[in-house]
Amino acid sequence: DGGITQSPKYLFRKEGQNVTLSCEQNLNHDAMYWYRQDPGQGLRLIYYSQIVNDFQKGDIAEGYSVSREKKESFPLTVTSAQKNPTAFYLCASSVDRAGQPQHFGDGTRLSIL
Amino acid sequence: GDSVTQMEGPVTLSEEAFLTINCTYTATGYPSLFWYVQYPGEGLQLLLKATKADDKGSNKGFEATYRKETTSFHLEKGSVQVSDSAVYFCALGVSAGGTSYGKLTFGQGTILTVHP
Repeated sequence: DGGITQSPKYLFRKEGQNVTLSCEQNLNHDAMYWYRQDPGQGLRLIYYSQIVNDFQKGDIAEGYSVSREKKESFPLTVTSAQKNPTAFYLCASSVDRAGQPQHFGDGTRLSIL
Repeated sequence: GDSVTQMEGPVTLSEEAFLTINCTYTATGYPSLFWYVQYPGEGLQLLLKATKADDKGSNKGFEATYRKETTSFHLEKGSVQVSDSAVYFCALGVSAGGTSYGKLTFGQGTILTVHP
């Protein structure tokens, strides 16, 4: 079955460390997205990519970086510049640039040690 | 800018009760509207959608009608089950042509708990 795979499910970061969250899709979708979810809040867009080798900042990109070297992969790096990284991170994809509807992975929960 | 407002939760119901979760929106252009559901520890799943005014989206006994005059997209189910316990998100998306992308704007989510 096609879908989006995020790994790891749980991740712990030490102060001053960069960590990378993996997102892989086998849906052959052009567009991919990273969202951050905090308790009691909706999802906020971090970065998105409409096509390979291209990506754009979302609403809360500071302290994060991404790459899109392959169509099926869109890893997110949480850098040490992100001062409040503890959250649930969701990756999504959509078949085209119109972006709707979006299909989601099961998320990665990042915590600070 | 675009925004989505959901009724605040949590919502607690007994099995077989009627469910309504209110959702209103503000948007420029002509948005599509969505309800997503999130079960504990999982990502979001698309529950239903409507792409134009007066459309009714339905799935798994849930329904929502796109009301342009009241800018609303309320989620309803006639008889909830324990297995419906989850977080429900209302969202809107405005597709844009050219080099723009179709951004999704989410409400804050409503926690639903159904007791036997």
